[in-house]
Amino acid sequence: AQKVTQAQTEISVVEKEDVTLDCVYETRDTTYYLFWYKQPPSGELVFLIRRNSFDEQNEISGRYSWNFQKSTSSFNFTITASQVVDSAVYFCALSGDNNDMRFGAGTRLTVKP
Amino acid sequence: DVKVTQSSRYLVKRTGEKVFLECVQDMDHENMFWYRQDPGLGLRLIYFSYDVKMKEKGDIPEGYSVSREKKERFSLILESASTNQTSMYLCASSLPDRGPGYSNQPQHFGDGTRLSIL
Repeated sequence: AQKVTQAQTEISVVEKEDVTLDCVYETRDTTYYLFWYKQPPSGELVFLIRRNSFDEQNEISGRYSWNFQKSTSSFNFTITASQVVDSAVYFCALSGDNNDMRFGAGTRLTVKP
Repeated sequence: DVKVTQSSRYLVKRTGEKVFLECVQDMDHENMFWYRQDPGLGLRLIYFSYDVKMKEKGDIPEGYSVSREKKERFSLILESASTNQTSMYLCASSLPDRGPGYSNQPQHFGDGTRLSIL
């Protein structure tokens, strides 16, 4: 069975601080995909990134970066120089071979001015 | 941009009622999904559909059914609403898969329907 764990329920930082959101996954599939989504207060989940299991290259997009490590089954998300607009709930998700999409419980990030 | 529209943002119904939640997408996506979101549990898949008139059960289909008569529309039906179905319901759509599994493409979500069953 697949599982995604986001151990951090809530994180609060002050603007301009760096923050890392943790995601640990479990799967027996050799081919799988990992995702991060952002859910702002408006409610609509917004896709941020997808990674497949064969691509361990880290990715940077502006202030966002993702660290994928198969050895530790982790796909962590870092926001550099956080801003108030980054306040949201962030979900990590895993999709495998067996028509099985799993979301983590989410991490609520609050960035204070 | 993909637009996924859910018919109601807030809905209040009574126990035992038959409830319909509607979802429409405008990007000709083959795949459509219904999730419910509860605090501490994240999103859980109720049903999904990969084509018109096709449906597959997700993790928590009990008490729900779905209908997909047209490609752009995917309806979630609560056959006899109960208080434990009070939740946020999210609809999503995506392109068809290019590899193993049904959901390796990014999903596009609606704003959600917050449903209260009294």
